[in-house]
Amino acid sequence: DTAVSQTPKYLVTQMGNDKSIKCEQNLGHDTMYWYKQDSKKFLKIMFSYNNKELIINETVPNRFSPKSPDKAHLNLHINSLELGDSAVYFCASSQLNGVGETQYFGPGTRLLVL
Amino acid sequence: AQTVTQSQPEMSVQEAETVTLSCTYDTSESDYYLFWYKQPPSRQMILVIRQEAYKQQNATENRFSVNFQKAAKSFSLKISDSQLGDAAMYFCAYVSAGGTSYGKLTFGQGTILTVHP
Repeated sequence: DTAVSQTPKYLVTQMGNDKSIKCEQNLGHDTMYWYKQDSKKFLKIMFSYNNKELIINETVPNRFSPKSPDKAHLNLHINSLELGDSAVYFCASSQLNGVGETQYFGPGTRLLVL
Repeated sequence: AQTVTQSQPEMSVQEAETVTLSCTYDTSESDYYLFWYKQPPSRQMILVIRQEAYKQQNATENRFSVNFQKAAKSFSLKISDSQLGDAAMYFCAYVSAGGTSYGKLTFGQGTILTVHP
């Protein structure tokens, strides 16, 4: 069974469109994260939710809106996509409150904005 | 703010040999955790090893071990008996045990490891 899954794995879309990426974890973890990996492979956190509550919100354009319907799911909605949004987006989860606990990553979603 | 630096963009090793990947970090905190993650071409992020800062003993996982020097803020990864499957990009990462960095992983720039047969 996949521990952290993301859909879709690939997303190609036009500038200005709105798209969503879904993430689900079956590990029973309390905390979930979204990370962005840019073209230089640099990874940076975007958001974190703990038991459906937003706890980390980095400097991210407000076109990006995370939503956590329950603690096993964390979705990322992106409005008015821009070329610079092209990247790989990773979802991750961790146990308890996420402090020091290992984060388990999903397979990533490669987003290409044309 | 915490920063993590991997000064080796690329490293290479012969199969069965040993290689060490470097990582330094900057923090004013005393309680934190350090990780090495591996990202093969499949792009899946895979945990290699984890170290708690309050533990003096270096973490070991099979062929992977770390040299954790807290005073020097250094956290290097040693891969022994390198295998072709070890070829990947390796990321060093830091997470604070508290404060406003709560749960947030800070990554280094990554080191691409090539394993030659």
